[in-house]
Formats: sequence, structure tokens, C-alpha cells
Amino acid sequence: GAVVSQHPSRVICKSGTSVKIECRSLDFQATTMFWYRQFPKKSLMLMATSNEGSKATYEQGVEKDKFLINHASLTLSTLTVTSAHPEDSSFYICSAREGGGLDQPQHFGDGTRLSIL
Amino acid sequence: QKEVEQDPGPLSVPEGAIVSLNCTYSNSAFQYFMWYRQYSRKGPELLMYTYSSGNKEDGRFTAQVDKSSKYISLFIRDSQPSDSATYLCAMSRGGKLIFGQGTELSVKP
Repeated sequence: GAVVSQHPSRVICKSGTSVKIECRSLDFQATTMFWYRQFPKKSLMLMATSNEGSKATYEQGVEKDKFLINHASLTLSTLTVTSAHPEDSSFYICSAREGGGLDQPQHFGDGTRLSIL
Repeated sequence: QKEVEQDPGPLSVPEGAIVSLNCTYSNSAFQYFMWYRQYSRKGPELLMYTYSSGNKEDGRFTAQVDKSSKYISLFIRDSQPSDSATYLCAMSRGGKLIFGQGTELSVKP
């Protein structure tokens, strides 16, 4: 159980393109989902917390107009990287929290490797 | 000082060895502790989830929490080449996970 699906797994696109990444919880409902960014050989950096039916909460230093998050249902959150540039190239990973408690474990998708040319 | 400290390794062991992975933390408010395994180019996979001090065992894996010392460990018995991955400790605070840097483990046949 507790499967999170992330799509696409790999994106290569030109500078200035907007890219949408989907995160779905397949066998549980997730009121809260999270978006992370990971650089090579580094740990995960939380970008934003996505709550179903409300606005996302962004971490300090993350541009909310650059990284648009929508959490329209209990099983789907999307991250749109708007007008992407080479410095946005990274590994983006989503997670979904199982259950209602704040400290319930998070289950992760397999990430999206974004390359901006 | 980082809230969660983890030796990044790399750690290389022969197949069959017992592996010990550790994290220390500075915030005594942490109450929930997790270990994740991450294979290259994949997302982290939850291995262990613990709350109180003490040991929790699941197959070849044992998680140990010592809140008095602010120290957590993950032991892997009879390590296999398929255990080669990066292991991340994580702690929960206010619904957010605080990760260690991750330890890169290589198990040699």
C-alpha cells in the first residue's frame, strides 16, 4: 500500500517553457502533499506544502510565482515550473502524507528529472 | 549547526556484513523518526517509522532510538548488494520532515 505516482519521470525542454509535474496518491487519500527539490548527492529540500482545497505554503526563498502548485483533489497535486530556465534543472520529488496526523509518514514518488536547455 | 547530522559516507562493506547507520539531532522536540532508502534516480522509500525510544525490528532491519542522547541508528543484518543505496534519516516537526544528508552505502559481492 501507500503508493505515490509521479509523472513524468523525465523532461527535457527549451528555456522559457512551462513544465507541469503530476503527483498522485494511488491507494490512499492525501490531504497534504509536499514538493521537494534534490541536487546531486544532496538531501531533499522542501519547497512547499500543498493542502487540498487551499493555497500552498512555500518555504522561504521559493518563488511562488515560479513554482505554481495546485491540489485540487485528495489524490492529485501538480507543480508547474513556469518559464523554466537552466538553473531550474533539478530532480523534483513529491510526497503524500498518509492519514490525518501531522507526524504520519510521508510516501514519495519516484521523482521527475527536469533538464532545461 | 544542522538540526540533523548524518555522515554522508560513502560506506563500503562486504556482502553479509552488519551495517550501522547513524544520525544525531539537536532538537529535543522531535518525536517521530524515520529511515528512508533511496536508490539512484528514484524517490525515497520508507523503511522504518518509530516514535519512542527503543528498538523496532522489521526483517533484516532494526531501528534504534535513544532520545536521551538524541541519537538514532539503523542496523542492516546480512547486508546484500541490493541494499546499496543512500539511506536518509528523517524527523518530523510540525508536519514537516527534516532530513539528514544521507549516507551512501555500497555492499560489495
